[in-house]
Amino acid sequence: KQEVTQIPAALSVPEGENLVLNCSFTDSAIYNLQWFRQDPGKGLTSLLLIQSSQREQTSGRLNASLDKSSGRSTLYIAASQPGDSATYLCAVTESSGSRLTFGEGTQLTVNP
Amino acid sequence: DAGVIQSPRHEVTEMGQEVTLRCKPISGHDYLFWYRQTMMRGLELLIYFNNNVPIDDSGMPEDRFSAKMPNASFSTLKIQPSEPRDSAVYFCASRLTVGNGYTFGSGTRLTVV
Repeated sequence: KQEVTQIPAALSVPEGENLVLNCSFTDSAIYNLQWFRQDPGKGLTSLLLIQSSQREQTSGRLNASLDKSSGRSTLYIAASQPGDSATYLCAVTESSGSRLTFGEGTQLTVNP
Repeated sequence: DAGVIQSPRHEVTEMGQEVTLRCKPISGHDYLFWYRQTMMRGLELLIYFNNNVPIDDSGMPEDRFSAKMPNASFSTLKIQPSEPRDSAVYFCASRLTVGNGYTFGSGTRLTVV
């Protein structure tokens, strides 16, 4: 059974700092990996999707990398802003392309 | 496109009552998923459909839960009878096809008292 772990569980940084969120998964036979953002009381917003054949994806200040063989992904946020404060969730789609398994999330607070 | 639309946004009901949650996926998406989110267990997959057919319902907690997808533009998740431990946020998501990303709705916050 696929298990997804995110470290750290919570992170507090001053505005302007660059930061890295970590995600690991136990079964490397994945179809793709997706990073989401969730604001309190809200739904999930997709940030980046990385296919299993890709190494990284970038969108604005966000960069996600994938090392499938080692079962790891990182989400890099450059020049963090208070508006980046949210919970970030990592999720992997298993190799059959069906089930999406989530990590527990990292709660990020960016202080002005 | 308006995205994945869920209704109601909030539902408060008494224990023992029937609850029906609704979802309209993005037009053209082949897959529809129902997830439940709680503080204790995080996000759990309940059931998913491919082309309106239920494929995997192993996450449905018990027989009190049922889901249907009568057509490509509508799905329901029903709980009968509801219990306080069913209180959670229920999300619906859709996906174009295998290999594409998931788009989630805003969720339904269910409180059973």
